[in-house]
Amino acid sequence: DSGVTQTPKHLITATGQRVTLRCSPRSGDLSVYWYQQSLDQGLQFLIQYYNGEERAKGNILERFSAQQFPDLHSELNLSSLELGDSALYFCASSERDRPNQPQHFGDGTRLSIL
Amino acid sequence: LAKTTQPISMDSYEGQEVNITCSHNNIATNDYITWYQQFPSQGPRFIIQGYKTKVTNEVASLFIPADRKSSTLSLPRVSLSDTAVYYCLVGELHSGSARQLTFGSGTQLTVLP
Repeated sequence: DSGVTQTPKHLITATGQRVTLRCSPRSGDLSVYWYQQSLDQGLQFLIQYYNGEERAKGNILERFSAQQFPDLHSELNLSSLELGDSALYFCASSERDRPNQPQHFGDGTRLSIL
Repeated sequence: LAKTTQPISMDSYEGQEVNITCSHNNIATNDYITWYQQFPSQGPRFIIQGYKTKVTNEVASLFIPADRKSSTLSLPRVSLSDTAVYYCLVGELHSGSARQLTFGSGTQLTVLP
């Protein structure tokens, strides 16, 4: 158990809809990362937050957004969903925003777009 | 960017030692080398991290030569439950002190009975 909690575990919705994925980091971790994993793209970094502020952006679409709240939990919002957004979405956390610090991953949210 | 290259797949038998080598020719001075393990439908799990020479923990060893252009993850006496994808990553610094992990394709290790 990594200590990172993601909800829901599974989400099924239709194209054009909007969903929110939630992540609670490990106790004491201030940094949260979001990743997308699909069969053809592998594990792709989306965005990082540290103590409520955005730190880094990766391959995140404009239709996607995220935020980290004062209690340090984070939400990833996906809108105008397309079939290609079907994937596993992982959240990870680390204690600080220091280079080379290991990240601890949750078990992901499986998003299926019908 | 420090790109990594790993074998796509490896097979082994229970009880054997497995060595997975990763190439990272463009590793930067400040970069560490980190290995993760991922089971199907689960998030990656941190295994081990090192900067140079050898690092050992309760599950694996990591060997890094002096030039740091490659590294080898060593799993002693593997079991069926070690069947997973193993990722080698090299730390990258972006704006400020933010760190972005770049996962390659990983190595699918299959342990056979």
